[in-house]
Amino acid sequence: DQQVKQNSPSLSVQEGRISILNCDYTNSMFDYFLWYKKYPAEGPTFLISISSIKDKNEDGRFTVFLNKSAKHLSLHIVPSQPGDSAVYFCAASGEEYGNKLVFGAGTILRVKS
Amino acid sequence: EAGVTQFPSHSVIEKGQTVTLRCDPISGHDNLYWYRRVMGKEIKFLLHFVKESKQDESGMPNNRFLAERTGGTYSTLKVQPAELEDSGVYFCASSHAGGWDEQFFGPGTRLTVL
Repeated sequence: DQQVKQNSPSLSVQEGRISILNCDYTNSMFDYFLWYKKYPAEGPTFLISISSIKDKNEDGRFTVFLNKSAKHLSLHIVPSQPGDSAVYFCAASGEEYGNKLVFGAGTILRVKS
Repeated sequence: EAGVTQFPSHSVIEKGQTVTLRCDPISGHDNLYWYRRVMGKEIKFLLHFVKESKQDESGMPNNRFLAERTGGTYSTLKVQPAELEDSGVYFCASSHAGGWDEQFFGPGTRLTVL
């Protein structure tokens, strides 16, 4: 009963193109969403977040879109760079969850040069 | 400023043995979290400390797992006795405040139970 799902285990993109990573959630009580990036042998690092009162948040090459009615969010990376190759985790939280994050299983992004 | 550190980076033990994992949070961070990732699946919450108190331990799998944070600084997570299904990567994270304050993760401890 995964509450946060990343249905694509991996994604391969050419350098300079757009990378789109998707995430679906089931619990309508989630009101804060995050993306973390993880390199091998390192811990996840925070990338970008969005609260449920917004439908878009942008930070440089990274944009997160939230569609509450569809319970879906996506991370767009434009343009993709080889250094973006990593595992990307979608995470969610909400007031009833306190501080804990509920993560998806991750998507491996490979950016080819 | 040093980040979150975890020790050891890897541990291989046999079923039935005991293992203790350690986490040193970022200095001044009152909030400390333990998470676990099993076999490439999702990262799952285990528990949350605020200073030395357990705020939420709803994710602890069973009573073979014991977490402590004496003095509100570093934390230990002991697994006794270890079972095969305990294998995975154990992450520690810390944050200055609660709520949506950013959680900074350590590199993790990879535990293999044979």
